[in-house]
Amino acid sequence: EVQLVESGGALVQAGRSLRLSCVASGFIFSDYEMNWVRQAPGKGLEWVAYISGSGKTIFYADSLQGRFTISRDNAKNSLYLNINGLTVADTAVYYCTRDVNSQVPMDVWGQGTTVTVSS
Amino acid sequence: SSELTQDPAVSVAVGQTARITCQGESLRNYYAKWFQKRPGQAPVLVIFAKDSRPTGIPDRFSVSMSGDTASLVISGAQAEDEADYYCVSRDTSGNPWVFGGGTKLTVL
Repeated sequence: EVQLVESGGALVQAGRSLRLSCVASGFIFSDYEMNWVRQAPGKGLEWVAYISGSGKTIFYADSLQGRFTISRDNAKNSLYLNINGLTVADTAVYYCTRDVNSQVPMDVWGQGTTVTVSS
Repeated sequence: SSELTQDPAVSVAVGQTARITCQGESLRNYYAKWFQKRPGQAPVLVIFAKDSRPTGIPDRFSVSMSGDTASLVISGAQAEDEADYYCVSRDTSGNPWVFGGGTKLTVL
């Protein structure tokens, strides 16, 4: 079964850092591009970051101001998102997703991990 | 602000046709893909590529395109189609993806 399982979400104070993880199973992880997508309470979906299968190509949403770092470890079938200088606006459910290619994006989603930032 | 614009809400009677639009300059060059999001659940891809449906998505879901506007069409809407719907496409600034603001579909 193709599956993505996120972890690492927590209640944290503003200004702190957090690392989210996503473990993939049921497919050859290195063959797929991956993304992080988030949804703040009462808000819409927001694309956060993208990484190619090799990890060599990375993109971030322009609004994130350089505080986010996406990475992957293909040997561990794992995707990561480091967030520095957390703000209340980062409070959201964070999902990892798989891209088959540019025409078939985000065909598989994890269940999400919740990040809550307190002031 | 999102580069893809969606109406915040659409309502439709059961059995009627719902049309959810997504407008943006990038759609002149890239197809819109569509996701269904129910409360408490992860989003589900319902339309990809030009007009393809993943396995398990009913054929009442289709798309149409005109200029810079893509439409998700639900023919014969069912109660279980009530959800938020999001379009996604390439970002005009060169980033891989940008989501529309989402449309809440109410099935009456």
